[in-house]
Amino acid sequence: ETGVTQTPRHLVMGMTNKKSLKCEQHLGHNAMYWYKQSAKKPLELMFVYSLEERVENNSVPSRFSPECPNSSHLFLHLHTLQPEDSALYLCASSQDRGGPSSYNSPLHFGNGTRLTVT
Amino acid sequence: GENVEQHPSTLSVQEGDSAVIKCTYSDSASNYFPWYKQELGKGPQLIIDIRSNVGEKKDQRIAVTLNKTAKHFSLHITETQPEDSAVYFCAASIPFGNEKLTFGTGTRLTIIP
Repeated sequence: ETGVTQTPRHLVMGMTNKKSLKCEQHLGHNAMYWYKQSAKKPLELMFVYSLEERVENNSVPSRFSPECPNSSHLFLHLHTLQPEDSALYLCASSQDRGGPSSYNSPLHFGNGTRLTVT
Repeated sequence: GENVEQHPSTLSVQEGDSAVIKCTYSDSASNYFPWYKQELGKGPQLIIDIRSNVGEKKDQRIAVTLNKTAKHFSLHITETQPEDSAVYFCAASIPFGNEKLTFGTGTRLTIIP
């Protein structure tokens, strides 16, 4: 098993569809993340979960809804998306979030889901 | 918030030559600087990182240097090989958790055989 697994690899959906992206990590990490990767733009953090509790939202539109049922699984539920939401969605995990009194622990990324909204 | 600028956006070097990618950051409180490599069809993978208490770190053909005064850091790849072709991202973070990690826009490195 690879460290962080994302399914599906590719997804095409209409603007009225509802779909979900899945992420699973086999590293025993306590923090999980959703990132959006668009061409020629920096990676954009969407959501952070630490010990299954959401830490950061980063003002993501409500048409994106995350779910973290346990420390190994992370979902991104999608509904009524727009064409500009087409991008590569990356899941990542880390041993912990890091913080003022501890060093950042490295992010481990999955291979992403290429989403196309038509 | 933190702003990270990365240059160049594309870089082509002959196999065996060295490649250098540079990043600048804006927040002097940043103390963690990772570099990620993203191959086609894959997610980014950490290749090296440096913390603000050191000025240089090396791992085989890869090295990173940090100049805190000038607020810039660089990735150096020596003796480049075809498998080094990828997109490289720098990032910087203030000490408040990974959610404060800010990425650069990436450099597409092509190694010419």
